Amino acid sequence: DGGITQSPKYLFRKEGQNVTLSCEQNLNHDAMYWYRQDPGQGLRLIYYSQIVNDFQKGDIAEGYSVSREKKESFPLTVTSAQKNPTAFYLCASISGAGGANTQYFGPGTRLTVL
Amino acid sequence: ILNVEQSPQSLHVQEGDSTNFTCSFPSSNFYALHWYRWETAKSPEALFVMTLNGDEKKKGRISATLNTKEGYSYLYIKGSQPEDSATYLCAFRDLDSNYQLIWGAGTKLIIKP
Repeated sequence: DGGITQSPKYLFRKEGQNVTLSCEQNLNHDAMYWYRQDPGQGLRLIYYSQIVNDFQKGDIAEGYSVSREKKESFPLTVTSAQKNPTAFYLCASISGAGGANTQYFGPGTRLTVL
Repeated sequence: ILNVEQSPQSLHVQEGDSTNFTCSFPSSNFYALHWYRWETAKSPEALFVMTLNGDEKKKGRISATLNTKEGYSYLYIKGSQPEDSATYLCAFRDLDSNYQLIWGAGTKLIIKP
């Protein structure tokens, strides 16, 4: 089955630790995205990547880092510099270019900082 | 700063009743408007992508309209069923936003049996 997988589903982090959230897709999509969701707010873009080895900052990139070494994979690292990392994180991918194309989402990772 | 507003924030509807809710977005520089449905414990799923003023899209009992000149879209659900319970998200892209969508906070719909 084609789709997007994210792992882990739940993640607990101590303050000061870096953690990496996994996102893998087998849809052969070029572009991939990371969003953050907080209660009562819309999805906010952290980073996106249009092609392998290239990525751009979204609206709230501070304290996060990404890599895109393979087309299928777009891991997100939440660093200790992120002041308020507790949130729900969604990964998405899209085929081709253009804002009229559908985004396909993974099931999300809920990160809690202890 | 581009802003997308959805109203109401939440909505309780009796099973069998019809309902609708709103997505408001900037009326200038329009490119596309997306609607997604997000059920609890699942991934958001695309419902519609709308690009032309006056567009109407339909999928089963769910339909959507688009008014780009005044900057709003309505989502209608006819004869609500329990499986319609979900959060409905809209997202807007303008002509200058490369690959980026601006998302509303969603309308949470709860269908009462």
